[in-house]
Amino acid sequence: AQSVAQPEDQVNVAEGNPLTVKCTYSVSGNPYLFWYVQYPNRGLQFLLKYITGDNLVKGSYGFEAEFNKSQTSFHLKKPSALVSDSALYFCAVRDMSAGKSTFGDGTTLTVKP
Amino acid sequence: GAVVSQHPSRVICKSGTSVKIECRSLDFQATTMFWYRQFPKQSLMLMATSNEGSKATYEQGVEKDKFLINHASLTLSTLTVTSAHPEDSSFYICSARGDGYEQYFGPGTRLTVT
Repeated sequence: AQSVAQPEDQVNVAEGNPLTVKCTYSVSGNPYLFWYVQYPNRGLQFLLKYITGDNLVKGSYGFEAEFNKSQTSFHLKKPSALVSDSALYFCAVRDMSAGKSTFGDGTTLTVKP
Repeated sequence: GAVVSQHPSRVICKSGTSVKIECRSLDFQATTMFWYRQFPKQSLMLMATSNEGSKATYEQGVEKDKFLINHASLTLSTLTVTSAHPEDSSFYICSARGDGYEQYFGPGTRLTVT
């Protein structure tokens, strides 16, 4: 069975500071890893994915994530946070052989001016 | 990028009635569609996976007779909540996947059963 853990329910950062939203995963085979962002009463928006290749993945809105196989982590990062980045962030994993994704519980990011 | 729409965005119905939610992939063919349920401040719970032209595969604990899923074409899947009850009130999100790796999510439907 595959699983995703987002250990922090809430992350607070000041605008302009770097941010990190943590994600660790467990999957039997090689993982597909994804980050999504959700604004209130909206669906999920795709930010970035790791399938294969470079461990550092760059995505939308200046976000990036680093795949670390030994630590089974895929933390989301941004060098300089914006107030508009405040939202709910989900990490997801999909086993290459399985069709469905498993989502973490989500992390609420609050960026204060 | 690929766009997935859901209709309606918000619906209020009386207990005992049925509600149909549509999910459409607007600019790509969705071989697989997924239906999720999300409670406030919680993660997405996968309800079922549907492939065009075949029966949906339901997750454990999801009543297939209550949550009817039809994936009649490569661009349309519907979720019908039958005999809705207040505990069915939730945010329902669909997503669609074509031939690639990514899932594209609809904007969600807020169902309130009174």
